[in-house]
Amino acid sequence: GEDVEQSLFLSVREGDSSVINCTYTDSSSTYLYWYKQEPGAGLQLLTYIFSNMDMKQDQRLTVLLNKKDKHLSLRIADTQTGDSAIYFCAEKDGNTGKLIFGQGTTLQVKP
Amino acid sequence: GAVVSQHPSWVICKSGTSVKIECRSLDFQATTMFWYRQFPKQSLMLMATSNEGSKATYEQGVEKDKFLINHASLTLSTLTVTSAHPEDSSFYICSASGRAPETQYFGPGTRLLVL
Repeated sequence: GEDVEQSLFLSVREGDSSVINCTYTDSSSTYLYWYKQEPGAGLQLLTYIFSNMDMKQDQRLTVLLNKKDKHLSLRIADTQTGDSAIYFCAEKDGNTGKLIFGQGTTLQVKP
Repeated sequence: GAVVSQHPSWVICKSGTSVKIECRSLDFQATTMFWYRQFPKQSLMLMATSNEGSKATYEQGVEKDKFLINHASLTLSTLTVTSAHPEDSSFYICSASGRAPETQYFGPGTRLLVL
């Protein structure tokens, strides 16, 4: 089946940039997403990118998509302690329309 | 915009009882709603997809008689865990998509503990 992989943990210092990486296998993906989950809460949609785009920027967030390598990244500029959370990458299966999630990357921001 | 609520936020029940969880889209009409289950420190597992007015489509391995889903209106879907057992204890999250089908908006989740 389709698979989405993420590294499990990232630690950065406050003020630094964070880069969270994701790889996927589905070549028919239509959209790719980044969600944020804080402890005990649901998922907050941060941003998403259409599969024919290379980059999308939204304030402190930059999404880069390398469709050839099936690699997606999320860059958070000027990372703050409030950015500490689990970040999920997800791709929309082009055939079923379902979201396939990665395992989540725990971002720890140290003051 | 695009707010999804769930009720209750947490519930504790005795083994053998049934529990109903509501998912509402507050400011948009949700043509499709999804129910996920999340185990501690794990990713989300899709349980079922429901479209308003039709029967839910369950993922492989999910018992439809145990997890009853009703999507009676464009703003409300319910998940009923019937005859709950301790192994049903989990974090249940719903999501909804509407006129923009490329996006799913998630509710805050319901934590179920079955004793």
